[in-house]
Amino acid sequence: GEEVAQTPKHLVRGEGQKAKLYCAPIKGHSYVFWYQQVLKNEFKFLISFQNENVFDETGMPKERFSAKCLPNSPCSLEIQATKLEDSAVYFCASSQGDEKLFFGSGTQLSVL
Amino acid sequence: RKEVEQDPGPFNVPEGATVAFNCTYSNSASQSFFWYRQDCRKEPKLLMSVYSSGNEDGRFTAQLNRASQYISLLIRDSKLSDSATYLCVVILNTGNQFYFGTGTSLTVIP
Repeated sequence: GEEVAQTPKHLVRGEGQKAKLYCAPIKGHSYVFWYQQVLKNEFKFLISFQNENVFDETGMPKERFSAKCLPNSPCSLEIQATKLEDSAVYFCASSQGDEKLFFGSGTQLSVL
Repeated sequence: RKEVEQDPGPFNVPEGATVAFNCTYSNSASQSFFWYRQDCRKEPKLLMSVYSSGNEDGRFTAQLNRASQYISLLIRDSKLSDSATYLCVVILNTGNQFYFGTGTSLTVIP
């Protein structure tokens, strides 16, 4: 596609429930990035992929967060057993490796 | 220590004012620098790249100071539509590792 497509736009979960977010990068872009933005505006890097391979996962909370980018499928970010502090906007971005990042419109996750 | 640090503001300025933001980065191996703009929790969009020689785009001027490891953004003749959060972004020399600052909030007041 011509733009990064993130679904769903909004997601509400009770504490302890699972949350799964999806991202379809721009066609031809080989890098995918996930960021978490909480209310204080801090833009936290979570993980990046080069095609299906994890490129950098230094920002990922290992215990409950996981992510995948499989061939011919949207990339996904999954949070097991959500906590209140997971409430944030999760942005996905893609790049073709030329230093230009294109963002999706984000998924607003609310954990109640 | 964070890779990129910004003053979160908020900066509240009257229309027509000139305002400047700075951003410092910790890794001297950083190779590329950008300013992104984010409106009301929407997705960030690239505002401009920052080059060593400094660069200008209309009312916006970006500069890089490698010796002191900071970049700056100057907005002249502020408009109401400039109200947004401005994010400083740095790429390390390993490439494809984008580090964001916390953003600086700007409100331009009529």
